[in-house]
Amino acid sequence: SQQGEEDPQALSIQEGENATMNCSYKTSINNLQWYRQNSGRGLVHLILIRSNEREKHSGRLRVTLDTSKKSSSLLITASRAADTASYFCATYQGAQKLVFGQGTRLTINP
Amino acid sequence: GAGVSQTPSNKVTEKGKYVELRCDPISGHTALYWYRQSLGQGPEFLIYFQGTGAADDSGLPNDRFFAVRPEGSVSTLKIQRTERGDSAVYLCASSLTVTTGELFFGEGSRLTVL
Repeated sequence: SQQGEEDPQALSIQEGENATMNCSYKTSINNLQWYRQNSGRGLVHLILIRSNEREKHSGRLRVTLDTSKKSSSLLITASRAADTASYFCATYQGAQKLVFGQGTRLTINP
Repeated sequence: GAGVSQTPSNKVTEKGKYVELRCDPISGHTALYWYRQSLGQGPEFLIYFQGTGAADDSGLPNDRFFAVRPEGSVSTLKIQRTERGDSAVYLCASSLTVTTGELFFGEGSRLTVL
């Protein structure tokens, strides 16, 4: 079962622009994580935001969390061609079962 | 090793055959996960191990799927009587502890059932 759902399913922007992806989830959470997956590769952890945090930064990444709306957003600033990938949000169902959404496929055009 | 290692990277088999997929987690990681990912979809949870025991196997689709981790390190996902619908990328991930932290993924094993 899917816990998080990303929006949009696909996003295509020009290099240098900002990319924003959204994630909605259904149940209460302790934290929410974002992962990146390059084509044909495994997933790579990007950032974790705890339920008592509203915003977190890591380099060009900015993540927000609104627990009242059960939603999160991932912003990538000054996008680069190397940012082309699929991005997934993930939350825990219960203590240990990490469940992923369907992902947003991001394409950065040079 | 430095990261999670999965073998084989690609496996082509015929319908009805038996398949084993291996995962070697990061040394010292006690938690190990198996996921299945179809094209264009997110990873689908299959099973989670804490040490040697399967703490949550609720994602295994049916009794043709089985996974073991006998010594608390390497894990093997076993699929009996493979069907074409089993074709997917099988991802393994490990985590340092049982706490709700980040997972480290392998590159996956791509299974194709003809």
